[in-house]
Amino acid sequence: DIQMTQSPSSLSASVGDRVTITCRASQSISTYLNWYQQKPGKAPKLLIYAASSLQSGVPSRFSGSGSGTDFTLTISSLQPEDFGTYYCQQSHIVPRTFGQGTKVEIK
Amino acid sequence: EVQVVESGGGLVQPGGSLRLSCAASGLTFSTYWMSWVRQAPGKGLEWVANIKQDGSEENYVDSVKGRFTISRDNSKNSLYLQMNSLRAEDTAVYYCAREIGSSTRGAWWFWFDPWGQGTLVTVSS
Repeated sequence: DIQMTQSPSSLSASVGDRVTITCRASQSISTYLNWYQQKPGKAPKLLIYAASSLQSGVPSRFSGSGSGTDFTLTISSLQPEDFGTYYCQQSHIVPRTFGQGTKVEIK
Repeated sequence: EVQVVESGGGLVQPGGSLRLSCAASGLTFSTYWMSWVRQAPGKGLEWVANIKQDGSEENYVDSVKGRFTISRDNSKNSLYLQMNSLRAEDTAVYYCAREIGSSTRGAWWFWFDPWGQGTLVTVSS
């Protein structure tokens, strides 16, 4: 199985800050990498697919980059509604696997 | 609007069985892979199983192999998860999700969208 490791596990940032979340795969997954946002008590929501493609309707302050084993989700200017937990997920092979999540809090 | 809605969760004793359902609307159901993903209380996301468009291929995470069975009825736009020999560690919110696939030069990318609201399964005596 491919292990996905996110860092940091949690962060606290101010509105307007640039936030970066990192995801590392245990083996190369090309660009088979997706990012989701989950708010408390809600289902996950797709943000980025294929490492860098922005899902329709998602604000342009979200962006993704990377290939191979190292990936990054960036929020260019953190907004109050961006709180929640962010997960990366690989779709290179089954079983599909997720990172452990990064909890984002607003200062 | 594409929508998937889960049902069938509840409280079950260890060793018991439960069948989850997922009703899809607003999409041509028969053209998509479908998945189940679960989330234990306070924990992260864990993919459980998926099934090909025509039901001819199924995949499972090791921890549920031999106990869970995924199936679909394309005539009813419905996905199912039959869960047998349930254990306390199967306690989770179970989400149904469409797997969207996109191909470029023979390579396929997949992602989950949308997700249902989830149904809670509690395994406890």
